[in-house]
Amino acid sequence: EIVLTQSPGTLSLSPGERATLSCRASQSVSGSYLAWYQQKPGQAPRLLISGASSRATGIPDRFSGSGSGTDFTLTISRLEPEDFVVYYCQYYGSSPLTFGGGSKVEIK
Amino acid sequence: QVQLVQSGAEVQKPGASVKLSCQASGYTFNIYYMHWVRQAPGQGLEWMGGINPGGDTTSYAQKFQARLTLTRDTSRSTVYMELSSLTSDDTSVYYCARGSSVTTRRAFDIWGQGTMVTVSS
Repeated sequence: EIVLTQSPGTLSLSPGERATLSCRASQSVSGSYLAWYQQKPGQAPRLLISGASSRATGIPDRFSGSGSGTDFTLTISRLEPEDFVVYYCQYYGSSPLTFGGGSKVEIK
Repeated sequence: QVQLVQSGAEVQKPGASVKLSCQASGYTFNIYYMHWVRQAPGQGLEWMGGINPGGDTTSYAQKFQARLTLTRDTSRSTVYMELSSLTSDDTSVYYCARGSSVTTRRAFDIWGQGTMVTVSS
């Protein structure tokens, strides 16, 4: 099983700043089957990034993903007020699929 | 539009089973894997299992192997999740989600609205 460790657990930033979230895998993620989701309170998760770096339909270009192997990053270039929520990474290559523990971006 | 609509909230007693449904619309149901993910109050996301387009192959997270059953009914474009031997630890919001197609490995691009399951005596 691929274990995903997200850091930091909480990131305190101001609107307009850049956010950098990390997702580290316990073993190499083949095919870059690594996704990022955003979850707002009371809502289902929303797919942001798949294949480590491909933005999903309708996702603003301030969101970008990078990385390969065991180290992946989600970057939000300029935080908007609606971006202060929780983000999860996910391995979806083969069973068992796994999620990271999440990173919360909060207003400083 | 493409959507997944889940059944309503459930309250069950410890030891009971719960069966949730998730109906798809707006796309070709029988070419996509379907998955279930749960989220305990204030906690993260947990993948429970998935079912292939034909409904004849399932894959479960190890912790649910003994008490989780996923099925699908193509005629109703619906996938079902049954969890047995419920305990208070199963109190969570349960989501269905669309995954890979028969030709392309995909992340979960469509999610249901979630169903709250409360286990309480």
